[in-house]
Amino acid sequence: YVLTQPPSVSVAPGTTATFSCGGYNIETKSVHWYQQKSGQAPVLIIFYNKERPSGIPERFSGSSSGDTATLTISRVEAGDEADYYCQVWDNGGHRRVFGGGTTLTVL
Amino acid sequence: QVRLVQSGSQLTKPGASVKVSCKTSGYTFTSSSINWVRQIRGQGFQWMGWVNTETGTATYAPDFTGRFLFSMDSPAGTAYLQIYNIHDDDSGVYFCARDSRLDAWGQGTQVTVSS
Repeated sequence: YVLTQPPSVSVAPGTTATFSCGGYNIETKSVHWYQQKSGQAPVLIIFYNKERPSGIPERFSGSSSGDTATLTISRVEAGDEADYYCQVWDNGGHRRVFGGGTTLTVL
Repeated sequence: QVRLVQSGSQLTKPGASVKVSCKTSGYTFTSSSINWVRQIRGQGFQWMGWVNTETGTATYAPDFTGRFLFSMDSPAGTAYLQIYNIHDDDSGVYFCARDSRLDAWGQGTQVTVSS
């Protein structure tokens, strides 16, 4: 099972950043999203497609439909610059699979 | 709060063995699984497998069978990853992460394999 993410997204501060995660029939899977800042460990920001852990701002939201899961960051801030990864459980391969990640640049 | 603290960086030679520890705190160790994830620069994340901390049963991803061993010390709240007969291409950062959602991560352990 393969998850496809665009390598980069660039947006201006205060605007909305959208990250896609493509996978066959991904809407039937639970998608988790992570933020990884340079030199740091990943942080879970969205789980089960759209749920936010405590401490994660409401600016972060998730959705999933068909073959695409989406992470949206509203009112982007400079501190949101990071790599963003999606992850699902691959039933057929009996393993967790990560997308290749998308780098967010705040212009 | 939930914390996972890993052992420090290691430099090792091909063919050697390494052991990485992941000490947990802030929650009941046996209430959540521990996953191991590898990150190789330029190659993203690879999920290596997980340990059922209630039973101690380890499950390995298909690409991580044979030379990799997950273990744990439940009273100490600590999980371990051992890599045997290490190869050059095992160089990378190894993370432990809690639960099926990977909702808390250790800081990562850099393992460098060089002759």
